[in-house]
Order: sequence, then structure tokens, then C-alpha cells
Amino acid sequence: SAVISQKPSRDICQRGTSLTIQCQVDSQVTMMFWYRQQPGQSLTLIATANQGSEATYESGFVIDKFPISRPNLTFSTLTVSNMSPEDSSIYLCSVEQGDTGELFFGEGSRLTVL
Amino acid sequence: EDQVTQSPEALRLQEGESSSLNCSYTVSGLRGLFWYRQDPGKGPEFLFTLYSAGEEKEKERLKATLTKKESFLHITAPKPEDSATYLCAVTGANNLFFGTGTRLTVIP
Repeated sequence: SAVISQKPSRDICQRGTSLTIQCQVDSQVTMMFWYRQQPGQSLTLIATANQGSEATYESGFVIDKFPISRPNLTFSTLTVSNMSPEDSSIYLCSVEQGDTGELFFGEGSRLTVL
Repeated sequence: EDQVTQSPEALRLQEGESSSLNCSYTVSGLRGLFWYRQDPGKGPEFLFTLYSAGEEKEKERLKATLTKKESFLHITAPKPEDSATYLCAVTGANNLFFGTGTRLTVIP
């Protein structure tokens, strides 16, 4: 299974600022997924990041708020822009094992916005 | 509409007290049902994949089963280290949908 590293693991941010989360995978993968897990809630897919093309965003998520980069097959970043307290969540990077649908997740980045 | 419902929301068991967690789903063309374990402050850890009704998978004290409408995660003689949130997810024609999880606490 892939080993996925995320940075930062946690951060406390001020309202109106932006934060970039990094995700590094130890093997080349076609697609990387970014999820959000709000307190007490399930995981919600933000977007799918493919190398060499723009990310595909799910309903309710827009590129201006959550810009994503995917410069190569092992790395991606998610930026949470102009943060508000409602953005306080755990943000998770994940990759799929082959074509099985099985996802492997990073440790997550816990953001608290004051 | 694709939907996943997990019950109960929380479960407290004495060490050694076996029980089951439920995952009910509605999905167009089920391609797979997945169980994950999530410890506090960590990302979900993959446990099982089930693809068709009647399928069963086992790992240590955990056994997952699947019918056409639901899946059960059976925990036999649990230990305190089994305490975690257990997440169910399904994938059909569209994306992966996660349930909200069952928070399991096993008391020594």
C-alpha cells in the first residue's frame, strides 16, 4: 500500500488568511483525491487531482476557494483560501490502490480557523 | 440518490463483549463496499472490500459481511485497542460515498 505524507499535520490560522497543505506519495499515482472531514461528520470529496490537467471539483467546492496543484505523479497541494471558522476541518489526501476503489489516506491536516 | 447510513452512532462494549456495526446503503450499481478504521487525529485505515452479496472477509477479531442492502462489521471478543471510529463507504456509478461512522469504545 502507498505511504502518504501530509504537511502540516495541524495548524491554527487567522480568518482571511490562506494555507497550503502538501501531500507526498511514495509511488507514482494517476489520481489523488482531497477530502474534508468536518467535526462529527463524514468524509466529503473536495476534488480529484490529475497530473497535467486541472482538478475536477465536486458540487459545492470551487477552484477559487480550494486551488489545487498537481505538478507530478507523486505530489499535490491543496490551498484553503480566505479562510473562515467554517473551514475548520481535517483535510485528507488519498490515493487509490490500483483500480480496486480502495483508498489509502494520509494522516490528515487539522485546521482550526479563529 | 446514493446514500450510506451507519448505526449505531456510538457503541460502548466491555472487553470481550461481541457485537455488530451496521452499514445500510442505497447505491446505483454497487461496485464495492469498504470498511475503514479511523483513530482520533489520524486518517482512515483501510480494512476490507466487499464486492457482492454473500461475500465475507475476516481480519483478526473483525468480520465483514454483505447483503444487497447492508453490511455488518462483526467484532468478536473486542479489546480496548479496537476502540476507534469505523467508517463504511460505497462506490457505484459515481464517486465514493462515506457514512458518518460508528464510534466504538471498548472498556477494559
